Amino acid sequence: ELKVEQNPLFLSMQEGKNYTIYCNYSTTSDRLYWYRQDPGKSLESLFVLLSNGAVKQEGRLMASLDTKARLSTLHITAAVHDLSATYFCAVDRRVETSGSRLTFGEGTQLTVNP
Amino acid sequence: DTGVSQNPRHKITKRGQNVTFRCDPISEHNRLYWYRQTLGQGPEFLTYFQNEAQLEKSRLLSDRFSAERPKGSFSTLEIQRTEQGDSAMYLCASTFYGTANIQYFGAGTRLSVL
Repeated sequence: ELKVEQNPLFLSMQEGKNYTIYCNYSTTSDRLYWYRQDPGKSLESLFVLLSNGAVKQEGRLMASLDTKARLSTLHITAAVHDLSATYFCAVDRRVETSGSRLTFGEGTQLTVNP
Repeated sequence: DTGVSQNPRHKITKRGQNVTFRCDPISEHNRLYWYRQTLGQGPEFLTYFQNEAQLEKSRLLSDRFSAERPKGSFSTLEIQRTEQGDSAMYLCASTFYGTANIQYFGAGTRLSVL
C-alpha cells in the first residue's frame, strides 16, 4: 500500500525566513503533485513533477523531486504572510488494471508570522 | 469555464437519512474523481470515472455509497443510511487524462450527520 508522509505537520515561521517541507513516499510513482489549501477552501494546484530531478518554481515556492530517494521538497524562500495555508503533496500511482489515483500526505499547516 | 462545481456546499442530515451530492466537472475533462477529507487530514480517494465508466472504487466506499456519472458529464454521490462517521468534506476533482493529469478540485460539500 502506498504511503505518503510529510514533515513537519505544523510549521510556524517568521516573515522573511526560508524553510523546507519534505514529502516521502513508499513506492514507485509516476507523478508527484503539490497542492495548497486555505481554511474552508478547496485545493489549489501548485506544481506537478514528472521525472527524477524535476524542479519547478513559482514566486517564493520551489518544488523538486528525487525519485530514487522517493522524496520531494517544497522550499519556501523569504516567507510572507500570504503563504499561510496547508500544503499537501500527493502521489499518483498507476493502478495496474485501469488508471491512476492520488494518495495524499497529511498536510503541512504553515503559519507565517509578521 | 468556471471550474469544478459542487452542490450543495453544506448538508446537515440526521443519522439514517439518505443524501446525494452533485459534481459538475470542467467541460472536456474525461476523468472525474471523488475524495473524502476529514479535519486535519489529506483527502482520501473514494472512486473515479473515465467518461461514464466507473473504473475504480476504494475499500472506503462501503455498499452504502454509490456514485454515477451518466452520459459522462456531471456525477452524483449518494450515501444511504448515513452514519455519524460519514461526516466529512466530500471533494470532487476532474482532469483530462494525459501527461500531467493535474486534478482540479471543486469547493466540496461539507456533510454533517447529527
